[in-house]
Amino acid sequence: EPEVTQTPSHQVTQMGQEVILRCVPISNHLYFYWYRQILGQKVEFLVSFYNNEISEKSEIFDDQFSVERPDGSNFTLKIRSTKLEDSAMYFCATSIGRDRINQPQHFGDGTRLSIL
Amino acid sequence: ELKVEQNPLFLSMQEGKNYTIYCNYSTTSDRLYWYRQDPGKSLESLFVLLSNGAVKQEGRLMASLDTKARLSTLHITAAVHDLSATYFCAVVGYTDKLIFGTGTRLQVFP
Repeated sequence: EPEVTQTPSHQVTQMGQEVILRCVPISNHLYFYWYRQILGQKVEFLVSFYNNEISEKSEIFDDQFSVERPDGSNFTLKIRSTKLEDSAMYFCATSIGRDRINQPQHFGDGTRLSIL
Repeated sequence: ELKVEQNPLFLSMQEGKNYTIYCNYSTTSDRLYWYRQDPGKSLESLFVLLSNGAVKQEGRLMASLDTKARLSTLHITAAVHDLSATYFCAVVGYTDKLIFGTGTRLQVFP
């Protein structure tokens, strides 16, 4: 079964540094999402991306965050200047499209981001 | 703003017993998903519920949706240890983003 692939699995970074989290979507999927999960808490929506632009973003997704699909395959999340509270598990999810509503969003294994 | 609540938050149950997890949401939605998450792992899709009265079953798990009551249930029948995990419901709002419930941490003991 096709999978969403995320790298790295674990990223440790000093506060104030930039990080880039990478995701390779399932090949025929058109909608891409980033979610985060702070340890022990629920999963929170960050941003959705379709047709090379942001569809929607949450309050969490401030000016320090950006997303892009630089080469048509990878889908990246960049945090420009990390803060301690950015420590979380970040999940990439993809879906085939709104007309296939019986299909769930498929999640990658996540990147655990630890800010020191 | 769409809000999703689950209860209970924690559930410790004996093998062989039955129990139900509840998921309430605050505004109209046409899709509800149930996901399973093992510790430190990703989210595995269990069920997609699309319409009022929808019922789906997989093994010892059965999910249902009542859109009028804005309620979904996940029923566990004759629990086994392998079902120990955290279960999330997630509702699709006006856009495609998923709004997750608080999660129910299930622990099944002998």
